[in-house]
Amino acid sequence: NAGVTQTPKFQVLKTGQSMTLQCAQDMNHEYMSWYRQDPGMGLRLIHYSVGAGITDQGEVPNGYNVSRSTTEDFPLRLLSAAPSQTSVYFCASSSAGAGFDEQFFGPGTRLTVL
Amino acid sequence: AQSVTQLDSQVPVFEEAPVELRCNYSSSVSVYLFWYVQYPNQGLQLLLKYLSGSTLVKGINGFEAEFNKSQTSFHLRKPSVHISDTAEYFCAVILANAGGTSYGKLTFGQGTILTVHP
Repeated sequence: NAGVTQTPKFQVLKTGQSMTLQCAQDMNHEYMSWYRQDPGMGLRLIHYSVGAGITDQGEVPNGYNVSRSTTEDFPLRLLSAAPSQTSVYFCASSSAGAGFDEQFFGPGTRLTVL
Repeated sequence: AQSVTQLDSQVPVFEEAPVELRCNYSSSVSVYLFWYVQYPNQGLQLLLKYLSGSTLVKGINGFEAEFNKSQTSFHLRKPSVHISDTAEYFCAVILANAGGTSYGKLTFGQGTILTVHP
């Protein structure tokens, strides 16, 4: 299993540009989430999904869109990039199964918005 | 809503010394508790978790944590650290018994950078 994969690893955008951060998992997990990590603030939840076709907002959703058309993929779209979106983005997935299972994290995408 | 506070942003320690990283949480309902570790330029890896049962939880790499419900704390400890333990550590919570809608929603603390000196 590859686990959770994210592309690209690094990206530089200009203010106003749009882009999509890709996330995929091959563990057949129901739950997928996007977090952003900023120094001194830990990780904050942007959007999450409890299954294909179902998404919801997290703590910091503004400026980001998501969709979940398949179990495997959960892309994060930046509609019009702003310098405040400079951050490291992590995708995670988990499965409830018979109880709560841990969240598995991807390696991250480091985004800089100029 | 739940929140997590990690009381130390940086903890320097010498090799083979014991260490404790402190975590307090606030929630009006029961939570599950986690510690994650992030090595430089990597993603997060689960160290240990508390879901129920014994309040002393053992994890990987010799770490353990104790859940204290009355003090709403979940401090992480290791009796003897190695240089390789240098990393950032995150405490996190998720609502327990809230059904499937809570499972994608971890709330993290601000992180504690552990630096182990030779």
